[in-house]
Amino acid sequence: GAVVSQHPSRVICKSGTSVKIECRSLDFQATTMFWYRQFPKQSLMLMATSNEGSKATYEQGVEKDKFLINHASLTLSTLTVTSAHPEDSSFYICSARDFTSGDGEQFFGPGTRLTVL
Amino acid sequence: SQKIEQNSEALNIQEGKTATLTCNYTNYSPAYLQWYRQDPGRGPVFLLLIRENEKEKRKERLKVTFDTTLKQSLFHITASQPADSATYLCALISGNTPLVFGKGTRLSVIA
Repeated sequence: GAVVSQHPSRVICKSGTSVKIECRSLDFQATTMFWYRQFPKQSLMLMATSNEGSKATYEQGVEKDKFLINHASLTLSTLTVTSAHPEDSSFYICSARDFTSGDGEQFFGPGTRLTVL
Repeated sequence: SQKIEQNSEALNIQEGKTATLTCNYTNYSPAYLQWYRQDPGRGPVFLLLIRENEKEKRKERLKVTFDTTLKQSLFHITASQPADSATYLCALISGNTPLVFGKGTRLSVIA
């Protein structure tokens, strides 16, 4: 299947700092990428849909000024958690759909564990 | 309201048996369903996609069925092994909605 990478895999930061997470589709182009958040023992919650060349679409309750998304190319989307606080500590996972070889199966990155002290 | 439910939060089975996981949905007309495996601290790994006009799909020891009348998908792992222990997620796409996930079933295969 298609490969989605994420970087970094783990980050620890101080409260008030900003953290950038990168998501890349390695062997296909993705006009749309998705950002999810997962708390322990819970399912994935969609935060936003990232569209190449346009603004992201945020789910209800997700602050767009806090979670900045940029989808600058067909293979790269970034999520920046601005002025991070301990309650932002979570597992962030990006995803993209590959329409080139199938029905648009959705593939996920390995995730980024964010810990805010 | 729209719901996607995986009946069992956890399922324990003996090695060698067939594990069957259930996914039911309400008030969706999914174009297709996808099943994923997730290990602790990792992102979901895509396993199988089944379209609304397909009854069954297989991949090695995995089999997925899709019954649009019952609004249900079943996910089977035959000849289960301890290495199959993980959380399995079902997810559907309906219209233009992004992928919607169930809460997952944590499968434990006991040697």
